[in-house]
Amino acid sequence: AQSVTQLGSHVSVSEGALVLLRCNYSSSVPPYLFWYVQYPNQGLQLLLKYTSAATLVKGINGFEAEFKKSETSFHLTKPSAHMSDAAEYFCAVNGGAPGTASKLTFGTGTRLQVTL
Amino acid sequence: DTGVSQDPRHKITKRGQNVTFRCDPISEHNRLYWYRQTLGQGPEFLTYFQNEAQLEKSRLLSDRFSAERPKGSFSTLEIQRTEQGDSAMYLCASSLALSGQETQYFGPGTRLLVL
Repeated sequence: AQSVTQLGSHVSVSEGALVLLRCNYSSSVPPYLFWYVQYPNQGLQLLLKYTSAATLVKGINGFEAEFKKSETSFHLTKPSAHMSDAAEYFCAVNGGAPGTASKLTFGTGTRLQVTL
Repeated sequence: DTGVSQDPRHKITKRGQNVTFRCDPISEHNRLYWYRQTLGQGPEFLTYFQNEAQLEKSRLLSDRFSAERPKGSFSTLEIQRTEQGDSAMYLCASSLALSGQETQYFGPGTRLLVL
């Protein structure tokens, strides 16, 4: 079974500061990992995904994440926070074998607050 | 590509009533997923379709829940005899599953409030 743990339900950073949102995964098979962002009363938007190609994955809006197998981590970072980054961020794992069902297992989310 | 759409966006109903939600996936996506998200939690898988076939259902999907995807296009999720515990955001996602690198794209969700 697959699972993800997001450390820190709330993270607050100043505008222009580094953003670091933590995600650790557990998977019995090589995982596919995803970060989604959710703005209030909206659905989830894909930020980036890891599918075993490159360990450093670049996504939209200046976000990137690094897959570290030894640490079972997939932390999300952004060098400089912007006010528009304030949202809920979800890490998700999909560990199904190719061609099989690929339901996502999500973490509980991290709410990012950006202050002036 | 207009994205995944869901209707209605909001639904308020009284306990015991039936409700039905609709999801229109991205055209030509062969897989369609339903998730439920309660306040302060991440989405939880409910069920998924490959084309018109419903291939997996979560234990969360009680007998009061039924989902269909006729003709492999849009999908409906019906909840019968709603309970207050059914209040949640219901999210639909679609994907094109080819060689295993599947990415799910989510709709805006339907927020259900059961009074």
